[in-house]
Amino acid sequence: AQKITQTQPGMFVQEKEAVTLDCTYDTSDPSYGLFWYKQPSSGEMIFLIYQGSYDQQNATEGRYSLNFQKARKSANLVISASQLGDSAMYFCAMREANTNAGKSTFGDGTTLTVKP
Amino acid sequence: DAGVIQSPRHEVTEMGQEVTLRCKPISGHNSLFWYRQTMMRGLELLIYFNNNVPIDDSGMPEDRFSAKMPNASFSTLKIQPSEPRDSAVYFCASSLGGQGNEKLFFGSGTQLSVL
Repeated sequence: AQKITQTQPGMFVQEKEAVTLDCTYDTSDPSYGLFWYKQPSSGEMIFLIYQGSYDQQNATEGRYSLNFQKARKSANLVISASQLGDSAMYFCAMREANTNAGKSTFGDGTTLTVKP
Repeated sequence: DAGVIQSPRHEVTEMGQEVTLRCKPISGHNSLFWYRQTMMRGLELLIYFNNNVPIDDSGMPEDRFSAKMPNASFSTLKIQPSEPRDSAVYFCASSLGGQGNEKLFFGSGTQLSVL
């Protein structure tokens, strides 16, 4: 079964607008972490934001925020005030602390294109 | 901090040849991951190690693939014999700890082309 599901292969957003990238996950481990990474066309993988399963507040890092809905098992990434440099592939990932000893699995990714 | 170092950056080889990819994780990190990225299959976890011990190699495609971590500062991924379908970008990543709250630090990847 797919552990991480990203249902949007591609997304478009106008510069300066906000965009939400969807991510749902599946786990029975009570202790896990959710991560978002960015992969620009140059190919490197860049960590953006982290949300722990026990965190009460949604994570924020600058223009990035994570809309964590634990009961729905979703961890959507919100990018505010989009910039042209945000055009990239975005991956959602999960690490399960107990059942899989920290194994880190990734979704299929969403390609975001920011239009000027 | 030098980050995760992978070598070579690019490898072009002929079908049937042996290929060895190398990775030096960040000093002090005790979890290491090998991923393969292709357009068709996305980012696949091949194998990961905790404290130099392989924990899960269920993602290794077949017996042609093998990975070792002889010490905390070095890992190899070997393909023998290589096939054109092995062409992909291979990423190595490391993290501090094997828990759920540690982010991964990725190397720059090795672009492998098997002709």
